[in-house]
Amino acid sequence: LAKTTQPISMDSYEGQEVNITCSHNNIATNDYITWYQQFPSQGPRFIIQGYKTKVTNEVASLFIPADRKSSTLSLPRVSLSDTAVYYCLVVGLSGGSYIPTFGRGTSLIVHP
Amino acid sequence: NAGVMQNPRHLVRRRGQEARLRCSPMKGHSHVYWYRQLPEEGLKFMVYLQKENIIDESGMPKERFSAEFPKEGPSILRIQQVVRGDSAAYFCASSPRAAVDSPLHFGNGTRLTVT
Repeated sequence: LAKTTQPISMDSYEGQEVNITCSHNNIATNDYITWYQQFPSQGPRFIIQGYKTKVTNEVASLFIPADRKSSTLSLPRVSLSDTAVYYCLVVGLSGGSYIPTFGRGTSLIVHP
Repeated sequence: NAGVMQNPRHLVRRRGQEARLRCSPMKGHSHVYWYRQLPEEGLKFMVYLQKENIIDESGMPKERFSAEFPKEGPSILRIQQVVRGDSAAYFCASSPRAAVDSPLHFGNGTRLTVT
């Protein structure tokens, strides 16, 4: 399984765009990149997933360069309610099954 | 469509007692995953089950822990003879299929406290 590296914490202010970059140097050909968001005392929530180039939904955008060795989650115009931990996962086949593996995540704090 | 339901939300057990954590997956989901989260840490995979079968239990401690997902009813994570180190949040997730592009849907967890 590809190991992911992302910043432990980030700070931002309301209304700003936040970009969280994740490194996954040994990503395999068939692996997908998935991001989850977790608020305190809640389970993680799926945000976005992509394989290559750019994916956008109503919550975020995901940018993946051609070599796929990194990815960037972009949150436009964050608000206080975006304060959470964001996990980058590389999901692929391991031992015959797909087991999403979570790292420590990035703790994003949005200030007023 | 109800999400993943976990109960109880909070569970307090004394050392040596048994803890039973229940998880009802989303309707139509036959794949269940259990994770454990210690304070200030990420989620650690424990076990992956598909109806009546354990597919991958590589993250499950060898002793005292067991999991099942019967044909009828919720998935159960069972911890026998609990110790203080078992205190953590336990999350269950489900998905409709085992595929790389099938995201997990998580419940809000059971917080186990061992006194």
